[in-house]
Amino acid sequence: SQQGEEDPQALSIQEGENATMNCSYKTSINNLQWYRQNSGRGLVHLILIRSNEREKHSGRLRVTLDTSKKSSSLLITASRAADTASYFCATVQGGSEKLVFGKGTKLTVNP
Amino acid sequence: DAGITQSPRHKVTETGTPVTLRCHQTENHRYMYWYRQDPGHGLRLIHYSYGVKDTDKGEVSDGYSVSRSKTEDFLLTLESATSSQTSVYFCAISESLNSYEQYFGPGTRLTVT
Repeated sequence: SQQGEEDPQALSIQEGENATMNCSYKTSINNLQWYRQNSGRGLVHLILIRSNEREKHSGRLRVTLDTSKKSSSLLITASRAADTASYFCATVQGGSEKLVFGKGTKLTVNP
Repeated sequence: DAGITQSPRHKVTETGTPVTLRCHQTENHRYMYWYRQDPGHGLRLIHYSYGVKDTDKGEVSDGYSVSRSKTEDFLLTLESATSSQTSVYFCAISESLNSYEQYFGPGTRLTVT
């Protein structure tokens, strides 16, 4: 069953703008991860945030986690055409051993 | 995709035929996973392995079997392929079961006619 649900399903922006994607989940988690998938390629890990963390940065990426609302957001600042990809959140539920992926947000960055 | 290869990368097969997909890693990671990716469903876990000869079922394991006789190889077998198994299959590896990131292979596109 799907744990994380990304929102929006698709997002189109201009180069230089910021892109924000959201992920909601249903049960308690150990950690939440974000992955990127370029067309026709495998997924690439971007960032992991643990359940006791509220915010994490990596380069132009900023991830927040609100466990009270069971939601996370991924912000990509100063987007580039190369950021065009699908972005997935994935969660490890408390007591589970498996990573469960959402359906993804398709981001298009127009030059 | 470094350190993980999948073979074949593309395959077309007929309904009812057996199919085996191979995942090979050079990272010596303990955990290996098979996922399928379908439009509207995201990635769904089929089976995973936590060591040589140690495997367990995932969310969508019906119709699939796996084997791991060596640390570096994880095989996914469709005993009798059906059209519903047309999908893109991804192998992934990780050092830890859930605390660390997973590294994905390039995928195998399987079409069952």
